Amino acid sequence: DQQVKQNSPSLSVQEGRISILNCDYTNSMFDYFLWYKKYPAEGPTFLISISSIKDKNEDGRFTVFLNKSAKHLSLHIVPSQPGDSAVYFCAAAGSGGGADGLTFGKGTHLIIQP
Amino acid sequence: DTGVSQNPRHKITKRGQNVTFRCDPISEHNRLYWYRQTLGQGPEFLTYFQNEAQLEKSRLLSDRFSAERPKGSFSTLEIQRTEQGDSAMYLCASTPYRNTEAFFGQGTRLTVV
Repeated sequence: DQQVKQNSPSLSVQEGRISILNCDYTNSMFDYFLWYKKYPAEGPTFLISISSIKDKNEDGRFTVFLNKSAKHLSLHIVPSQPGDSAVYFCAAAGSGGGADGLTFGKGTHLIIQP
Repeated sequence: DTGVSQNPRHKITKRGQNVTFRCDPISEHNRLYWYRQTLGQGPEFLTYFQNEAQLEKSRLLSDRFSAERPKGSFSTLEIQRTEQGDSAMYLCASTPYRNTEAFFGQGTRLTVV
């Protein structure tokens, strides 16, 4: 049973526009959420995170929104650039002291079109 | 220190052979994780070390898998009697504290033929 779900396998956005990537989770014990970006043949690279005590975190072009009641988070990228084309993973951490690692979604392949 | 280092980057092995992968975490990070990623999936947690102690193992880690982290520095992941289903990207990550970003290595791509 997938505890972190990314329901869009791919997303195509024009350069300069906003990219919105969505993520849903089912486990209410998750209290920390992260977004990772992955290029082919490389390991995931950390982008941005948010604690469950916040509803928004911003870092440059990247903003993550958390809606705890809906168990939903989203990543906004504004403006989208060609180098943003990659697979984006949503990940969640539980309150178990870190021993259970991160639970990842299946990823969304973002394609930025010129 | 330039980040988490994994070796080898690629490994092709025949079914039934044993393989060993190495991970060198960022030096001041005491937490080390192994993950496995197959095509179309996100990384899946395998095991966790805090310093030299292996504190958690996923049910994905069958008896053929063993991991060590002697002296709390580098870690090794060994797979015995490899099967075709073991073909995957094996990722190592390290972090200094709970609920901070985990830094991933570039992974070891295992192909079992």
